[in-house]
Amino acid sequence: LAKTTQPISMDSYEGQEVNITCSHNNIATNDYITWYQQFPSQGPRFIIQGYKTKVTNEVASLFIPADRKSSTLSLPRVSLSDTAVYYCLVGAGRGAAGNKLTFGGGTRVLVKP
Amino acid sequence: EPEVTQTPSHQVTQMGQEVILRCVPISNHLYFYWYRQILGQKVEFLVSFYNNEISEKSEIFDDQFSVERPDGSNFTLKIRSTKLEDSAMYFCASSEGVHQPQHFGDGTRLSIL
Repeated sequence: LAKTTQPISMDSYEGQEVNITCSHNNIATNDYITWYQQFPSQGPRFIIQGYKTKVTNEVASLFIPADRKSSTLSLPRVSLSDTAVYYCLVGAGRGAAGNKLTFGGGTRVLVKP
Repeated sequence: EPEVTQTPSHQVTQMGQEVILRCVPISNHLYFYWYRQILGQKVEFLVSFYNNEISEKSEIFDDQFSVERPDGSNFTLKIRSTKLEDSAMYFCASSEGVHQPQHFGDGTRLSIL
C-alpha cells in the first residue's frame, strides 16, 4: 500500500480557500487517490476521488500532477463547519479484492471566524 | 441521499460478554466493511465482506470477531468475549464496487467495563 504524508494541522479563516497537499511517492499504477473528511464522533465522509489531472465536485477540487506522486485537495471558501480532520488515502486499484482503506493521521483543519 | 445506518449508537457491555453491532448498508451496495477507531487514534480496517464471505481481514480481526449478513439488509459484527481494549468507535461502511468510494455510518461507540 502506498504511504501518504500530509500536514498534521492547518489553520484558516472563514471565506478562504484551503489547500491540503498529500505526498504519495510510491503510488502504484492502479491506485486511486481518495479524500475523506471526519468530524468528531462521526464516521469518515467521502469527499472526492481521482486518478489523474483534476477532479471537481460540488464541495472540493482535487489536483493530481502528471507523476501522481502528490495530490492537493482544495476547499473553496471554507466556513466554520469545515473544521474537521481530512484524510488522504491511496490504494484500492482495479481488481483489488478487499478495497481495504488505510487511514493515516490526517490533517486537522481549524477554520476560524 | 441514501446512508449507512448503525445501531446502537452507544453500547455498554461488561468484559467477557458478547456484543453484536448492527449495520444497514446502502441498499444497492455489494461490498461491506467494518473499521474501528480507538479514542484519539487512527481509523483501522477490520474486515471486508463480499458475496457472503470475508474477502480480507486485518490482524485485529481474530477469532473473537465474526461478521454476518443474516438477511438482505443487515450486516453485523459480533465480538464473542469482549476485552477492555475492544472499547472503540466501530464504523460500518459499504461501497457499490470494489474501487468505488466507501460510505461510512456514524458508528457505534462500544464501551467495555
